[in-house]
Amino acid sequence: KQEVTQIPAALSVPEGENLVLNCSFTDSAIYNLQWLRQDPGKGLTSLLLIQSSQREQTSGRLNASLDKSSGRSTLYIAASQPGDSATYLCAVYLGNEKLTFGTGTRLTIIP
Amino acid sequence: GAGVSQTPSNKVTEKGKYVELRCDPISGHTALYWYRQSLGQGPEFLIYFQGTGAADDSGLPNDRFFAVRPEGSVSTLKIQRTERGDSAVYLCASSLNGDSSYEQYFGPGTRLTVT
Repeated sequence: KQEVTQIPAALSVPEGENLVLNCSFTDSAIYNLQWLRQDPGKGLTSLLLIQSSQREQTSGRLNASLDKSSGRSTLYIAASQPGDSATYLCAVYLGNEKLTFGTGTRLTIIP
Repeated sequence: GAGVSQTPSNKVTEKGKYVELRCDPISGHTALYWYRQSLGQGPEFLIYFQGTGAADDSGLPNDRFFAVRPEGSVSTLKIQRTERGDSAVYLCASSLNGDSSYEQYFGPGTRLTVT
């Protein structure tokens, strides 16, 4: 059974700092990996989708990397802003039509 | 264009009652998913539709849970004889099809509270 772990569970950093969120998964036979953010009381917003054949994806200040063989992905956020405060979830897709999610990292950016 | 919408946004019901939760996917998306998210946890898969048919319902916890998508668009998740343990946020997502190339787009969720 695929297990997805996110470390740390919570993180607080001063505004302007760069930061890295970690995601690890036990079954390396994934089709893709998705990073999403969740704001309190709101749904999930997809941030980046990395296909299994890709190493990284970039969108603005966000960069996600994928190392399938080691079962790891990282989400790098540059020049953090208070608006980045949210819970960040990673999810893997095994090709069986469903995403398997981690428990998330709750990020707080301190102004 | 419009995203995935879910109604109601909040539902409070008494133990033992029946509830229906509705999901309107993005127009043209053939794949639709239901997930359940308990407090402090990531979402967990419930059921996946491709078109009108339930292609995978392996995540439904028991036979009190049922979902339909009769016309291949709107879906309804139905819970009979609700229990306090059913309290969670129910999330719906859609994608262009079930192919791994496509992202799943999520709705805002329905927060269900069973008292």
